[in-house]
Amino acid sequence: GAGVSQSPSNKVTEKGKDVELRCDPISGHTALYWYRQSLGQGLEFLIYFQGNSAPDKSGLPSDRFSAERTGGSVSTLTIQRTQQEDSAVYLCASSSSLAVGQETQYFGPGTRLLVL
Amino acid sequence: DAKTTQPNSMESNEEEPVHLPCNHSTISGTDYIHWYRQLPSQGPEYVIHGLTSNVNNRMASLAIAEDRKSSTLILHRATLRDAAVYYCILRGFGNEKLTFGTGTRLTIIP
Repeated sequence: GAGVSQSPSNKVTEKGKDVELRCDPISGHTALYWYRQSLGQGLEFLIYFQGNSAPDKSGLPSDRFSAERTGGSVSTLTIQRTQQEDSAVYLCASSSSLAVGQETQYFGPGTRLLVL
Repeated sequence: DAKTTQPNSMESNEEEPVHLPCNHSTISGTDYIHWYRQLPSQGPEYVIHGLTSNVNNRMASLAIAEDRKSSTLILHRATLRDAAVYYCILRGFGNEKLTFGTGTRLTIIP
């Protein structure tokens, strides 16, 4: 079946511009996660959705970052006024249920963001 | 989150078994031990997880120490496709997110 998809696969933007990254989770998955992977910081958690609500936003690095999820499906991560340090691979994952620490997260291929 | 410690890198010959260690001395009783791997230019993928007993699946085996303070991921017959960064992660009750450490970069020698 279809896995997690993300778009665009690559994005080059100028410093100060806004960008939107999209994630389509596996159909039926209620939980959705955003992570980012950069050379300096490794793989780090950003935000988690259960349905359309975000009970954990603790990883968002600043108020320039926001995310929403609609219809319990597609999610958009928005970065406003991009900075060069935002350059990274942004990864989305989804999972089917909350089984007290057991559920598998399925990752998409990521969006590679480069801020010039 | 309890911390895990893994070697930065390991090498193995193709078609031989690989044992990837992970130390987690501060693990709590409700923490599950998860392993994910990340192949070059791809997102992470799930490998295996366990709580107390050893686990086997089509990809690998997970051997968990009796005191649960360490575990070993076993690839029974490494192939070139197994070259990746392997992450050992602890997940407890109510902990939805994955907290990645630096992982072990596994190189397979043809």
